[in-house]
Amino acid sequence: GQNIDQPTEMTATEGAIVQINCTYQTSGFNGLFWYQQHAGEAPTFLSYNVLDGLEEKGRFSSFLSRSKGYSYLLLKELQMKDSASYLCAVDTDKLIFGTGTRLQVFP
Amino acid sequence: GAGVSQSPRYKVAKRGQDVALRCDPISGHVSLFWYQQALGQGPEFLTYFQNEAQLDKSGLPSDRFFAERPEGSVSTLKIQRTQQEDSAVYLCASLKLAGAETGELFFGEGSRLTVL
Repeated sequence: GQNIDQPTEMTATEGAIVQINCTYQTSGFNGLFWYQQHAGEAPTFLSYNVLDGLEEKGRFSSFLSRSKGYSYLLLKELQMKDSASYLCAVDTDKLIFGTGTRLQVFP
Repeated sequence: GAGVSQSPRYKVAKRGQDVALRCDPISGHVSLFWYQQALGQGPEFLTYFQNEAQLDKSGLPSDRFFAERPEGSVSTLKIQRTQQEDSAVYLCASLKLAGAETGELFFGEGSRLTVL
């Protein structure tokens, strides 16, 4: 079966760092996506990891460990506009999404 | 067009009514996906096309759901005899090449269906 787990909700303070974890058990694995979704809007692409390790892109970084079935999204210097849902999705020739982590950033 | 376009953006249907949701993918994109997203949940896979071929429809919840992409561009998701549990946002996404590992999915803004 396909199973992707991530926390339902997280809160953080403006300027802080937050790490959103994702664990997965899927039949097939090509890579792992992270998407950001503001309420009422389409998901937008953040990152795609194929190989183990950390990929850094500005304030956002994503890490993957294929052997552990684990990924995280790291958000630095949090801003109010980062309040959104963050979706972990495993590429198995089709994208299988987790339920998403709703992040609220407070001033 | 510049992005994935979906219509209608909002649809209210009476239980038992048939609905059709349209997706206009980015021009030239080979792959097209339909997802269903309930409130507070992640998108759930429904079906996938590569050009006009429907390669995977394992996520369609029942035989009331039907999708087509006859000319390999525009796609329509049809729901017959709608039920209240069909209320959700239906997201369409397209990909330039076959196989998600070759690039990112571009999502439309979705069609929000409310069944009364």
